[in-house]
Amino acid sequence: NAGVTQTPKFQVLKTGQSMTLQCAQDMNHEYMSWYRQDPGMGLRLIHYSVGAGITDQGEVPNGYNVSRSTTEDFPLRLLSAAPSQTSVYFCASSYSPGGQPQHFGDGTRLSIL
Amino acid sequence: DQQVKQNSPSLSVQEGRISILNCDYTNSMFDYFLWYKKYPAEGPTFLISISSIKDKNEDGRFTVFLNKSAKHLSLHIVPSQPGDSAVYFCAASGRRDDKIIFGKGTRLHILP
Repeated sequence: NAGVTQTPKFQVLKTGQSMTLQCAQDMNHEYMSWYRQDPGMGLRLIHYSVGAGITDQGEVPNGYNVSRSTTEDFPLRLLSAAPSQTSVYFCASSYSPGGQPQHFGDGTRLSIL
Repeated sequence: DQQVKQNSPSLSVQEGRISILNCDYTNSMFDYFLWYKKYPAEGPTFLISISSIKDKNEDGRFTVFLNKSAKHLSLHIVPSQPGDSAVYFCAASGRRDDKIIFGKGTRLHILP
């Protein structure tokens, strides 16, 4: 049982480049979300999805796009990377957002030069 | 505007003693509160939760207390063990909102 799988684990980009962070879960969870973790800032919600075809913005959505074409996958796209997007990104999933424990991936460490 | 606040960035506790981590929230619509533990280079893992209809939930060495009138919750770990050294995040969500909001975290050091 793989749980939540994030790829890649590490990535270095140049300013202006685009990239997609992959997230897949094999637990048939309806709810998926993306967070970024920055020093002293905790985990901040970027985008989330309550099911296939449905996405919504979190606390810090600017500069990121998401889509949810299947239950399993929830990719996060950076269309034009900026140094302010240097961070560690975590994907999470659960059956529902209400009180259900979130299962997190191991993160993608992204550096924008 | 921070809806979930963990005001202590770090905490050091002697092994075997009690660790108490605190969390305050501002949104009275929150119905569920969860604690997560995070080791370096890993994703957070769920520890314990409590719903707003309870004021205490216990699981082994971990107990979470909720004071709704003060909008405050705390995580008690007793006795503290070396493996408890990690960053602890408090998180909150509501029945009518699909967003899960996290605090900034508290780094717990268990001293030998």
